[in-house]
Amino acid sequence: DTAVSQTPKYLVTQMGNDKSIKCEQNLGHDTMYWYKQDSKKFLKIMFSYNNKELIINETVPNRFSPKSPDKAHLNLHINSLELGDSAVYFCASSQEDSSYNSPLHFGNGTRLTVT
Amino acid sequence: ILNVEQSPQSLHVQEGDSTNFTCSFPSSNFYALHWYRWETAKSPEALFVMTLNGDEKKKGRISATLNTKEGYSYLYIKGSQPEDSATYLCAFPSWGKFQFGAGTQVVVTP
Repeated sequence: DTAVSQTPKYLVTQMGNDKSIKCEQNLGHDTMYWYKQDSKKFLKIMFSYNNKELIINETVPNRFSPKSPDKAHLNLHINSLELGDSAVYFCASSQEDSSYNSPLHFGNGTRLTVT
Repeated sequence: ILNVEQSPQSLHVQEGDSTNFTCSFPSSNFYALHWYRWETAKSPEALFVMTLNGDEKKKGRISATLNTKEGYSYLYIKGSQPEDSATYLCAFPSWGKFQFGAGTQVVVTP
């Protein structure tokens, strides 16, 4: 069984379009994240949700809006896509843990290409 | 912005050789240091969560040490095999965020 699954795996779209990436985890974790792998291969935090509540919004443009209908799902909606949004986006989850002893579990990534 | 730095950026290892590389992180407000292994076309997978100064953890031929006072962790691969080829990431959690290093890409050649 896939622990953290995100869809689609590949997404090719034109500038100006609106698209969504879905993420689901079946690990019973309380916290979910969206990371962006930038052009230098860094994994950068975008958002973090804990039990459906936004915890971290890391200076991401307003065109990016996360939605968490329940604690097992964290979707990422992107409005008015721009060329610079092309990247690989990773969803992750972890158990809520103020000591950070719980590792992150990652989805397989969504490669977004904006043309 | 926290500085989590990994070196070297990449290294090539002959099969059977041992190697090691480092992750440096801020030594203040330490909670934990995570190591992840990231194979091409896959997602990062957790290797170790290091929490105590002097910790040493081992998984098969891979081990890691931690020095929280000076702010560094070493990852060691003993007797490298081609299947060890991957990018190894360290992550330093702080204020609810995991700050990742850029990774060390390891290529093991037969």
